[in-house]
Amino acid sequence: DAGVIQSPRHEVTEMGQEVTLRCKPISGHNSLFWYRQTMMRGLELLIYFNNNVPIDDSGMPEDRFSAKMPNASFSTLKIQPSEPRDSAVYFCASSSDSYEQYFGPGTRLTVT
Amino acid sequence: AQKVTQAQTEISVVEKEDVTLDCVYETRDTTYYLFWYKQPPSGELVFLIRRNSFDEQNEISGRYSWNFQKSTSSFNFTITASQVVDSAVYFCALSEAGYGGATNKLIFGTGTLLAVQP
Repeated sequence: DAGVIQSPRHEVTEMGQEVTLRCKPISGHNSLFWYRQTMMRGLELLIYFNNNVPIDDSGMPEDRFSAKMPNASFSTLKIQPSEPRDSAVYFCASSSDSYEQYFGPGTRLTVT
Repeated sequence: AQKVTQAQTEISVVEKEDVTLDCVYETRDTTYYLFWYKQPPSGELVFLIRRNSFDEQNEISGRYSWNFQKSTSSFNFTITASQVVDSAVYFCALSEAGYGGATNKLIFGTGTLLAVQP
């Protein structure tokens, strides 16, 4: 079975541009998570969905960040406008009712 | 409030040594889950183990073993006869029972960088 798929793997953009990160969870998993990893703040949850419905978005930094899950096999995380402090590795993870979360390879975002 | 503390920032050992990574957690829930993840230099996060709060039985998987003690709120991870390939950042994480039984978010510790020298 394929694991969690994220695209792009690397993104370099200029400040002020819109960035869209994509995630395809493992087939059959009903929970999807977006995490961000930085040196300063470590690994932190941004938002998570259960059965395509957002459950907890308290970690979303500000209105510049938005996430959607239009169906069980696809989710996006959008940053508009991007800022240099958004530079980080963004991970998507999915889980079934077993509670283990399986992570994608991450998207390394650099905002210049 | 939930919190995971990994007090060891970096550990360096020589191959074949045993090494223990410490993890202390805080939670007010009676039902919770504890995890260890490995992040090798390539950057991906690899799931290693999950333990439930109601199961304190220790677990061994090959060279890896985990010691869960509710009395001290600790979930320590031991690698026996370490190898160079074990070099990575190891994260301990906590999750409380989610809404309607759904999986809940992970609260991560700050990680321990393990360097195994040949």
